[in-house]
Amino acid sequence: SQQGEEDPQALSIQEGENATMNCSYKTSINNLQWYRQNSGRGLVHLILIRSNEREKHSGRLRVTLDTSKKSSSLLITASRAADTASYFCATANTGFQKLVFGTGTRLLVSP
Amino acid sequence: NAGVTQTPKFRVLKTGQSMTLLCAQDMNHEYMYWYRQDPGMGLRLIHYSVGEGTTAKGEVPDGYNVSRLKKQNFLLGLESAAPSQTSVYFCASSYPFVPGQGGGQETQYFGPGTRLLVL
Repeated sequence: SQQGEEDPQALSIQEGENATMNCSYKTSINNLQWYRQNSGRGLVHLILIRSNEREKHSGRLRVTLDTSKKSSSLLITASRAADTASYFCATANTGFQKLVFGTGTRLLVSP
Repeated sequence: NAGVTQTPKFRVLKTGQSMTLLCAQDMNHEYMYWYRQDPGMGLRLIHYSVGEGTTAKGEVPDGYNVSRLKKQNFLLGLESAAPSQTSVYFCASSYPFVPGQGGGQETQYFGPGTRLLVL
């Protein structure tokens, strides 16, 4: 069964705007990861945040994690057309790193 | 480095036929994984391996078998294909998670995928 549920399922914005997508999960985790998938391609790792971290940055990406609410958000600032892709959160429980993926958010950034 | 490669890229099978999907990685990763991705759903883990000669079942293992005879290769077999196995299959690999070590070494690296159509 899916661990994570992303919200919204689809998001359409203009270049330069910020994009925020959310992920909720069900069980305790060791870490939460965000991946990007361009159409017809494999997934690419974006960022990992551990359960004892609350916020992490990487370039134009900002990830937050609220373990009390079992939720995470991914913010892409100053979006570009090249950011158009599907974004998935994935959670890893304590112990072995079996990732459980959410259903994804499809982001469309228009020029 | 090629990273993670998958063979073939696309295949059409008839119901009941068998085939093997090959995954190869050149990053010396201990762990390897096979996922399937269906429309509207995230990736679901089929089988995984924590090292050469070892395999384990994931979330949706029925109808699939795997082998990890060499560290760099992970094979996914369909013994008797069914239309329900029409999907996109992704292989991934990673280093093992070591408690106390930071750095995100458990990040998974994905192959480009294999599109399988079972008629």
